Amino acid sequence: DGGITQSPKYLFRKEGQNVTLSCEQNLNHDAMYWYRQDPGQGLRLIYYSQIVNDFQKGDIAEGYSVSREKKESFPLTVTSAQKNPTAFYLCASSIRAGETGELFFGEGSRLTVL
Amino acid sequence: SQQGEEDPQALSIQEGENATMNCSYKTSINNLQWYRQNSGRGLVHLILIRSNEREKHSGRLRVTLDTSKKSSSLLITASRAADTASYFCATDPNTGNQFYFGTGTSLTVIP
Repeated sequence: DGGITQSPKYLFRKEGQNVTLSCEQNLNHDAMYWYRQDPGQGLRLIYYSQIVNDFQKGDIAEGYSVSREKKESFPLTVTSAQKNPTAFYLCASSIRAGETGELFFGEGSRLTVL
Repeated sequence: SQQGEEDPQALSIQEGENATMNCSYKTSINNLQWYRQNSGRGLVHLILIRSNEREKHSGRLRVTLDTSKKSSSLLITASRAADTASYFCATDPNTGNQFYFGTGTSLTVIP
């Protein structure tokens, strides 16, 4: 079955540690996105990528980094510079860059900083 | 922020009743989409309406779009307990390739 796989589903981190969240898609989609979701605030865009080896900052990129070395993969690193990293992180993809349409989401990764 | 706003923030209805939720946004858009999210899960796409459309139907869902008022509504008819979820609108401003999500409406359907 085609879809988006995020891992891990739950992650605990000590302050000062970097963590990497995985996002893999087998939909052959060009564009991929990372969103952060906090209670009562909806989804906010962290980074997005329209093509391999290219990505753009979203509204809340500070303290995060991404890479897009393969079309299928768009990992997100939450660095120690992110002041309040505890949140629910959602990865999504869409078919074409520059053609807006339906977003397909993974099941999310919940990060808790201890 | 170009983020949309849903109204109401929370809605509780009896099974069989209709549920209406609204979305307002700030900039011109290419299209507007509605998504559903069950607690602790990813979002699922429900329906997309383009800026040149005024109304669209999909099963028990009816979406309207008023670009002059920069608003949209989602109507779920004959609600079921399984419709309990959060519902988000997402806009695609015609200035870029980003999607902007609203803050969501939490719908509870009481059996």
